Formats: sequence, C-alpha cells, structure tokens
Amino acid sequence: NAGVTQTPKFQVLKTGQSMTLQCAQDMNHEYMSWYRQDPGMGLRLIHYSVGAGITDQGEVPNGYNVSRSTTEDFPLRLELAAPSQTSVYFCASSGSYGELFFGEGSRLTVL
Amino acid sequence: DAKTTQPTSMDCAEGRAANLPCNHSTISGNEYVYWYRQIHSQGPQYIIHGLKNNETNEMASLIITEDRKSSTLILPHATLRDTAVYYCIVRVAYNTDKLIFGTGTRLQVFP
Repeated sequence: NAGVTQTPKFQVLKTGQSMTLQCAQDMNHEYMSWYRQDPGMGLRLIHYSVGAGITDQGEVPNGYNVSRSTTEDFPLRLELAAPSQTSVYFCASSGSYGELFFGEGSRLTVL
Repeated sequence: DAKTTQPTSMDCAEGRAANLPCNHSTISGNEYVYWYRQIHSQGPQYIIHGLKNNETNEMASLIITEDRKSSTLILPHATLRDTAVYYCIVRVAYNTDKLIFGTGTRLQVFP
C-alpha cells in the first residue's frame, strides 16, 4: 500500500523558474491538501481540495496554483519560483475518520 | 487561525508517562480532537482522535474533559523515540473544511 506519494523528494530551482510538485494517493480519499514547513516552524496550509474539480485556498496560497482533475492526484505548481518559497512541502490526504495521511515531503531550494 | 493552544515545550523522563495538554475552548459540537506528531523532518503521523469519550490505541490515550474545552494526550511509557513535536487539532471529521495546524508542543524525552 503506497499511501501518499510525493515527487520529487529534492529539487533545486533558480529564481523565476517554474515547476510542479506531484502528489498521488491510492486510498480513494476525497480530501487532499498541501502544506509548507519552513525550518523550525510549524505547518502552514497552502491549498486544499475536498474532491475532484474543487480546490480552495489555505493560509498561504500566494505564488502557488493547484488543480484536482482526478481523485488520486493533487499537483502543486510554482509559476515563478522565489527564494521565499524555499521550504519543505508536504502533501496529505484525509481518511474516513478525518485523519490525515502525509507524504514524505519534497524539499525545495530556490536560489 | 489555529483553534487550539498548547505549551511550547515539555520534558519527560524515559519510562515515565508523558501528559501533553491542549486547550480548545471554542470547539464546536461536531468537531473532533485529533493528535499528530512529527519526528524530526518527517511527515506528521496521525496518533489518535476522539469526540467526547476517552480513547486508547496502541500508541496513546486521549482524555477529553466533560465540557470538551481541553484534552490530554498520554504516552504511558515514553521512550527516546517519542521525542517529537506534537500537534493538537480540532476539525469536523468529514473532510469538508481546511485543517490548520498550530505550533504544537516539542516533547523532549531524556534518559
């Protein structure tokens, strides 16, 4: 059982470049979300989705775009990367009792 | 904003019970209390959740006060591997709303 899979695990970008962080889950969960965690800080919600075709903003959505075309996938796109977006990104999906299952994280450095 | 408040840090001797408090005085009748922990830089791990009754599983026990305004997570025999940041969160179970993490409690278990 793969659970929540994030790719890539590590990425280095230059300022202004674009990229997509991939997130896939195989548990048929309707709810998915993206968080970022800066060093020594807590988790901050970027975007979330309560089902295919539905997305909404979290606490820190600026600079990020999401889409949810299927139940399984919830990619996070950075259009113009900035050094302030250097962080660890976690994707999570929510089970039947509301408990979140997290991926292993994607560590992004923007130079 | 997070709906819970927790102490910033706590210490516990190995083998002793760790009791982590959480205040959620504005909790609604349909909101559950969830606990997660994050070990170092890994993705957060679900521990336990409850509505109003006390709950126990293989990892921990959750004690919720009768008025539901606070709860305590109990790790009955703390080990060094329980050193982590513990997050207390309230949310409606059925995944219809965003989930905001607070700053959590950094538990240090010492030998």
